[in-house]
Amino acid sequence: AQTVTQSQPEMSVQEAETVTLSCTYDTSESDYYLFWYKQPPSRQMILVIRQEAYKQQNATENRFSVNFQKAAKSFSLKISDSQLGDAAMYFCAYRSDQGGSEKLVFGKGTKLTVNP
Amino acid sequence: NAGVTQTPKFQVLKTGQSMTLQCAQDMNHEYMSWYRQDPGMGLRLIHYSVGAGITDQGEVPNGYNVSRSTTEDFPLRLLSAAPSQTSVYFCASRVGSGNTIYFGEGSWLTVV
Repeated sequence: AQTVTQSQPEMSVQEAETVTLSCTYDTSESDYYLFWYKQPPSRQMILVIRQEAYKQQNATENRFSVNFQKAAKSFSLKISDSQLGDAAMYFCAYRSDQGGSEKLVFGKGTKLTVNP
Repeated sequence: NAGVTQTPKFQVLKTGQSMTLQCAQDMNHEYMSWYRQDPGMGLRLIHYSVGAGITDQGEVPNGYNVSRSTTEDFPLRLLSAAPSQTSVYFCASRVGSGNTIYFGEGSWLTVV
């Protein structure tokens, strides 16, 4: 079974600075998707960024980028120019690309605090 | 386009009561699913559906029932509520060919 590990329960960053959130996963599959979701206090799950395992290029969405290391099974999220609105729980998630698989496997999350 | 809509947003139940959490999506997505989130945890899959008339169990299905009579709707039924089912419930959907899962805003359920 696949597992996702987020080793940092909490992180903090100064406004305008850069922070990196770590995520590792365990799988024997070669085709899969990886995601970072943001969950603010409202509890809504907001997709931040996604990465297809077959793509070597790291995904980027504005201030958010990932460092995807397939061999190391690592998928870290970098937030540049941090803003107060970035404060939230961040979840790393994995989904298999094998037929019939619908389950997103989540890590336990990292709580990000942004200090003014 | 409202996305994924869940009702109710908040509910308090007594042990043994039954209720249905409603989920509707207007994006014509084939895949729909229900997750629960407990304190200090990520989301865990309860049940899912790959199309109208087809459902399957996820990671934590016990105590829950689902059906999918239309593409748009995917209700989650709690048959006899227990305090262990106190949680935040999320409905989600995606297109068959896509890989991004879209979530509803969550339903907070407390069983006393």
